[in-house]
Amino acid sequence: NAGVMQNPRHLVRRRGQEARLRCSPMKGHSHVYWYRQLPEEGLKFMVYLQKENIIDESGMPKERFSAEFPKEGPSILRIQQVVRGDSAAYFCASTGDRDGRNTEAFFGQGTRLTVV
Amino acid sequence: KQEVTQIPAALSVPEGENLVLNCSFTDSAIYNLQWFRQDPGKGLTSLLLIQSSQREQTSGRLNASLDKSSGRSTLYIAASQPGDSATYLCAVPVSGGYNKLIFGAGTRLAVHP
Repeated sequence: NAGVMQNPRHLVRRRGQEARLRCSPMKGHSHVYWYRQLPEEGLKFMVYLQKENIIDESGMPKERFSAEFPKEGPSILRIQQVVRGDSAAYFCASTGDRDGRNTEAFFGQGTRLTVV
Repeated sequence: KQEVTQIPAALSVPEGENLVLNCSFTDSAIYNLQWFRQDPGKGLTSLLLIQSSQREQTSGRLNASLDKSSGRSTLYIAASQPGDSATYLCAVPVSGGYNKLIFGAGTRLAVHP
């Protein structure tokens, strides 16, 4: 039973390029959460998605960032025109219960984005 | 607005000591509290989940307690080992019906032989 899978593990982008981060939740899980960990800072919520729906994107920067969780395939966090301040570790978590607040969140290994 | 605080921020101890890590939260209306471990450059590993109706949970040498009324949780590590060296994070879901987590800044633990 594979855990939460994120790829790539490491991603280097030049300023102005696009970054695409992928997350496959645990088998049977339909709730996906993205978090960002800036250097020397704690994890901060970005967005919560269910299949084909964005439920809460209150932690997403207003510009350049978008997320999706299609009916088929992984969830994608997309960052357009990356800047140095986007350099961080991006983590994905999944939960499986309909009442997601009462279940354990499982995290992936993260994608470490470096913008040069 | 929920805030989560962890103290101490860092801890360095010799092998074999029993440790207590502290987590406090400002809004006591929580559904659960989760403790994680994060190794440098790695992801988060879930250690323990305590539901709001529980007082404590145990897993091996780890024991986590929860006191909702005072807004506190402690993670107790018995007989610490160098392999326990990591950052320990606590997190609570915000109210609203799903598992959007608010994290503390973590306690960075170093256990030396």
